[in-house]
Amino acid sequence: GAGVSQSPSNKVTEKGKDVELRCDPISGHTALYWYRQSLGQGLEFLIYFQGNSAPDKSGLPSDRFSAERTGGSVSTLTIQRTQQEDSAVYLCASSLTTGLVNEQYFGPGTRLTVT
Amino acid sequence: GDSVTQMEGPVTLSEEAFLTINCTYTATGYPSLFWYVQYPGEGLQLLLKATKADDKGSNKGFEATYRKETTSFHLEKGSVQVSDSAVYFCALRGDAGNNRKLIWGLGTSLAVNP
Repeated sequence: GAGVSQSPSNKVTEKGKDVELRCDPISGHTALYWYRQSLGQGLEFLIYFQGNSAPDKSGLPSDRFSAERTGGSVSTLTIQRTQQEDSAVYLCASSLTTGLVNEQYFGPGTRLTVT
Repeated sequence: GDSVTQMEGPVTLSEEAFLTINCTYTATGYPSLFWYVQYPGEGLQLLLKATKADDKGSNKGFEATYRKETTSFHLEKGSVQVSDSAVYFCALRGDAGNNRKLIWGLGTSLAVNP
């Protein structure tokens, strides 16, 4: 079956603009995660959803970042007033549930470049 | 807080050489431990995992043993191939309460030459 998909694959935006990044999880997966992969910083957790609710938003870097999930499926990560330090690859993952043994399956990522 | 430290790369080996990539962690309780791999141009894939002390995860000839006494989860392979060239990430997932996020090492780039 289809894996996790993300769009767009690449996004170049000007500083100060808002961007929306989309994630389509694997069908039937109730848990969805957002991570960010920055050069020299490694991967960092941003937020995760169980269904449509977000029990852990602790990784969102600032109030410019928000995310929502509707219908227990698609999720959108929104970055307002983008800054150059927001440039990174944004990764989405999904898992069947949030159970500790459930594997997280990753999408290909969205490469965001803020100029 | 929880953290993962893995050896810096890049690591360059000849085909059929022995591979070790060190990973140590800091965490309370009993985390689950993972190795993910990112092949060139592809997304992250789970390579192997271990969910309790002394468990050995294995896949594609790679192995790692969860050592609680040394807080380590070193990745090993007896004979690497060119196709193993990739970036390898060690990660942990804590067992406390609402914790479902993966905590990651910085990644180790491996290049295998024919």
